[in-house]
Amino acid sequence: DTEVTQTPKHLVMGMTNKKSLKCEQHMGHRAMYWYKQKAKKPPELMFVYSYEKLSINESVPSRFSPECPNSSLLNLHLHALQPEDSALYLCASSQGVGIGQETQYFGPGTRLLVL
Amino acid sequence: KQEVTQIPAALSVPEGENLVLNCSFTDSAIYNLQWFRQDPGKGLTSLLLIQSSQREQTSGRLNASLDKSSGRSTLYIAASQPGDSATYLCAVKTSGSRLTFGEGTQLTVNP
Repeated sequence: DTEVTQTPKHLVMGMTNKKSLKCEQHMGHRAMYWYKQKAKKPPELMFVYSYEKLSINESVPSRFSPECPNSSLLNLHLHALQPEDSALYLCASSQGVGIGQETQYFGPGTRLLVL
Repeated sequence: KQEVTQIPAALSVPEGENLVLNCSFTDSAIYNLQWFRQDPGKGLTSLLLIQSSQREQTSGRLNASLDKSSGRSTLYIAASQPGDSATYLCAVKTSGSRLTFGEGTQLTVNP
C-alpha cells in the first residue's frame, strides 16, 4: 500500500465552525506533513511530525491545530478560520526525515472553502 | 533564504516532442532535489529524487539532471504524450525537513 488518504475531499465551513481534516497512511512512514496550497501556487509547508512529535511549525496561526494520535494518522483541527484560509490542504508522508528517507508521498488533498 | 525558479511557467507542445523543463535554486547547499507532477485539483506525485551527490536519475521517459554548483536542474521528457499534461514542480530540500518549491511549469501536450 503506497497510498496516503485524506478525508474529506471537500469541506465548506463557516468562520465560527470547528472541523477536522484527517490523513492516514499505512506505509510505516514515521514522518508526516501538512501543506497549504493556494490556486496556481506551490504548496507551503505548515507542520512536520517526526515519530509522532511535532518537529516543525512554520509559524502557522493557532486557529490551525495539528495532532498525530499514532504513527499512521495525522489530523488538522480547524477553528475560527478566515475566508483567506480557503485552499487545498495536502498531507504527505515519508519514511523519515534523514538522508535516503525523504521521498514524500502526497495525498489527494482536502479542498477547503471558508465562508 | 532559498528561492526556486522554474522556467517556463507554461509550455504547450505537440504530441511526440521531446522537451526540457528547467529549475534553478539560489542556495547550492541542498540535500536533494525532487520533481513532482500535479494534475488539476489533485495531490502531488513524486517523479524523481536526486541526492546532492548524484548527477541524474532516470525513470522511463523521464530523466532529471542536477548541477548543484550552478544551482540548476532539468527534467527531460522524451516522446511526450497527452497524458503528460500536468503541472511539474521541482522542490529542493535544505535544512531539516523543509522542501522549497518552485512555482511550477504547466505543461500541455496536444494530440
